[in-house]
Amino acid sequence: GENVEQHPSTLSVQEGDSAVIKCTYSDSASNYFPWYKQELGKRPQLIIDIRSNVGEKKDQRIAVTLNKTAKHFSLHITETQPEDSAVYFCAATIMNRDDKIIFGKGTRLHILP
Amino acid sequence: DTGVSQDPRHKITKRGQNVTFRCDPISEHNRLYWYRQTLGQGPEFLTYFQNEAQLEKSRLLSDRFSAERPKGSFSTLEIQRTEQGDSAMYLCASSLGDSINQPQHFGDGTRLSIL
Repeated sequence: GENVEQHPSTLSVQEGDSAVIKCTYSDSASNYFPWYKQELGKRPQLIIDIRSNVGEKKDQRIAVTLNKTAKHFSLHITETQPEDSAVYFCAATIMNRDDKIIFGKGTRLHILP
Repeated sequence: DTGVSQDPRHKITKRGQNVTFRCDPISEHNRLYWYRQTLGQGPEFLTYFQNEAQLEKSRLLSDRFSAERPKGSFSTLEIQRTEQGDSAMYLCASSLGDSINQPQHFGDGTRLSIL
């Protein structure tokens, strides 16, 4: 069945360094890939998304890349700050006979002082 | 507009009881989604509505779960005869458009604890 794998499950980086989180998806019909940030006890918040007709998208310190051939996409955070500490979820949507969205299991990002 | 709101924020109940949660989406959003999230996991899709029509239900959704969106605005999710395994955060999200390929905005969720 459809699946989204996310790595790593935990990531610690020094403040100011870059963080990269990677996801792979199984269904080639996936065509929309959002990323959500969830702080402890709070709602998931959309931080960036990318569609299958684009290879890269950037928004200030955050960028997402998509490789459709390899079926993987990545989140890049540069110049990390303490407020970047959170759990990050990738997701992939599928539009075939069933509209659905599948989330990865999340990456807990720790920004070290 | 304050975004997606969910009520209650927390619900504690005994096993076997029925519970109902409410979600109010962003006012102009025609799509409304329900998810379940357990500790250390991403949100798991349960069901969604386009206006008042329920278009998709996950296989995760047993017969004890039912959702409604009677006027295409707020939605309710009911769990009958609750079980220990129902303990989770129940999240609601809404989006604008006729496709799942649109940004979804989440509420704060309802945390359900089954004693």
